[in-house]
Amino acid sequence: DAGITQSPRHKVTETGTPVTLRCHQTENHRYMYWYRQDPGHGLRLIHYSYGVKDTDKGEVSDGYSVSRSKTEDFLLTLESATSSQTSVYFCAISGPGLAGPAANTGELFFGEGSRLTVL
Amino acid sequence: GENVEQHPSTLSVQEGDSAVIKCTYSDSASNYFPWYKQELGKGSQLIIDIRSNVGEKKDQRIAVTLNKTAKHFSLHITETQPEDSAVYFCAAHFRRALTFGSGTRLQVQP
Repeated sequence: DAGITQSPRHKVTETGTPVTLRCHQTENHRYMYWYRQDPGHGLRLIHYSYGVKDTDKGEVSDGYSVSRSKTEDFLLTLESATSSQTSVYFCAISGPGLAGPAANTGELFFGEGSRLTVL
Repeated sequence: GENVEQHPSTLSVQEGDSAVIKCTYSDSASNYFPWYKQELGKGSQLIIDIRSNVGEKKDQRIAVTLNKTAKHFSLHITETQPEDSAVYFCAAHFRRALTFGSGTRLQVQP
């Protein structure tokens, strides 16, 4: 199994407060992603990173920012949480790592998810 | 950007029957189409995938078909078992990321 850890796994917060979710990987994969999962919408891409300090927006990036200062960590920040950001957030990784020279197959490995409730 | 439509949203079958889930995509540049299975409370896991230079791929009870002209692909599960009950997501690779369908909740009745 790919070594991906998300923290916290559960969080309840109030509207207007800042929230940071952390994704940590031990695979040295190049690509890291943040998705949110909501009923009827499936998994929607928020932001992704294709290298240290290299990030790009996904389809639902408004209200979110990300940072990747190290290969192994990808942080998702909600500067001022709103009730519409109540969701389950999944981190995923892909791409070649130290395990071998194979090119990026496109396969994503997902973390266990972080359930965020904004009251 | 890419748009992926997935149907049905829920599917209930009897154990031993077959299940079919269908997806369509919008961008002809997409070239990789994986299917993920998500069990309750867990992250999704890849179960099968297909690339645009292949029309069909099988792995035991699971098969995926791709029609590039029509821009649709399907997941076929034969001889369904209770442990196949889960949410299934199709996806299409566009630029550097996957765009997912909205998911199908499959319930296999014993």
